[in-house]
Amino acid sequence: ETGVTQTPRHLVMGMTNKKSLKCEQHLGHNAMYWYKQSAKKPLELMFVYNFKEQTENNSVPSRFSPECPNSSHLFLHLHTLQPEDSALYLCASSPEGQGPNQPQHFGDGTRLSIL
Amino acid sequence: QKEVEQNSGPLSVPEGAIASLNCTYSDRGSQSFFWYRQYSGKSPELIMFIYSNGDKEDGRFTAQLNKASQYVSLLIRDSQPSDSATYLCAVNMRGSNYKLTFGKGTLLTVNP
Repeated sequence: ETGVTQTPRHLVMGMTNKKSLKCEQHLGHNAMYWYKQSAKKPLELMFVYNFKEQTENNSVPSRFSPECPNSSHLFLHLHTLQPEDSALYLCASSPEGQGPNQPQHFGDGTRLSIL
Repeated sequence: QKEVEQNSGPLSVPEGAIASLNCTYSDRGSQSFFWYRQYSGKSPELIMFIYSNGDKEDGRFTAQLNKASQYVSLLIRDSQPSDSATYLCAVNMRGSNYKLTFGKGTLLTVNP
């Protein structure tokens, strides 16, 4: 296992379903991130966790609920999503969540489609 | 609104040429700058980062930073078809040490 691993790679769900995205990093990093990438838009930061504590919620709707049980694992729980939530969801990690010079390393993402 | 601007392209260059990708940012206090490459359907891959004014070279890649002009660029020498991808500029801005602001990316096509 190397880098940042995300599962599932693809997810199709109805608007009333509940599902979870999983991210695991094997880099020994202490900060983890969720991003949303939609077509023709920049990457949008959703959540930041630093040493398991949430340090950023970028005005994300409550239908997205993150969970970080430890520094290596990050989840994004989904419920009652809308069609506009269809996007690529990317997980990233960095050595720490504080400090300017912290390169982030991304997982392969989960392609989410809402029916 | 803190912004990172990139020309969306597509930028088309012949194989073997130098590809020049540009990025401007709005926050003068920005501290660190990253270039990511993203192939279609794949995740962003970090290829270069630069923190100080001037040039930083890594193989065929050179990052150039000019903080006074709020401008960062990426040069790719001897471009190969495998360099065809979207290149994302990301900037770590003042007051948000751990938040990266991304540009929309520039699509580069290297023609054989």
